[in-house]
Amino acid sequence: QQQVKQSPQSLIVQKGGISIINCAYENTAFDYFPWYQQFPGKGPALLIAIRPDVSEKKEGRFTISFNKSAKQFSLHIMDSQPGDSATYFCAASKGATNKLIFGTGTLLAVQP
Amino acid sequence: NAGVTQTPKFQVLKTGQSMTLQCAQDMNHEYMSWYRQDPGMGLRLIHYSVGAGITDQGEVPNGYNVSRSTTEDFPLRLLSAAPSQTSVYFCASSYSIGLGNEQFFGPGTRLTVL
Repeated sequence: QQQVKQSPQSLIVQKGGISIINCAYENTAFDYFPWYQQFPGKGPALLIAIRPDVSEKKEGRFTISFNKSAKQFSLHIMDSQPGDSATYFCAASKGATNKLIFGTGTLLAVQP
Repeated sequence: NAGVTQTPKFQVLKTGQSMTLQCAQDMNHEYMSWYRQDPGMGLRLIHYSVGAGITDQGEVPNGYNVSRSTTEDFPLRLLSAAPSQTSVYFCASSYSIGLGNEQFFGPGTRLTVL
């Protein structure tokens, strides 16, 4: 049972375009939703995170949109650059715990 | 700071062999964890520790043992390796537990079990 469902599996975007990755979750007890970025041969690194008391969080070109009623959240990468090419994972956790439940990942390729 | 370090980077085992994956952090983090990453499945939590002497199971603990004798180290032991344990293993740490505590991941160990 996949508690956090992520789509698409892969994504190709032109330089300067907008990349959008979506995630949906089942457990309403989740209260922390981070996105991780992973380059080949490296470990994941935290990109941006949101809590369900806000509907949007923006950090530079990266924005998380959160829809609590639909149990969905998404990552938007504005003005996508070739350097953004990586695998992106959404995740969720609940309560006073660091036990992250990850989505299956999205391989993003930004073409120059 | 070296951050989270893992050794070895690559390892090939035969079915039934045992080995220990090493993980160390120099950030004085209380929380440490082990994940495995498999194609199409994301990362799944194996074991975690909220402090020295305290460990607990994650989503997929079977076939793995852990211990936490010091704050810095959190080794993962495979007692009898199986082909199903072929994966990339990541160790992670954070200052504490609770919301907003960023987890820092190591570079990973790629394990192949023949």
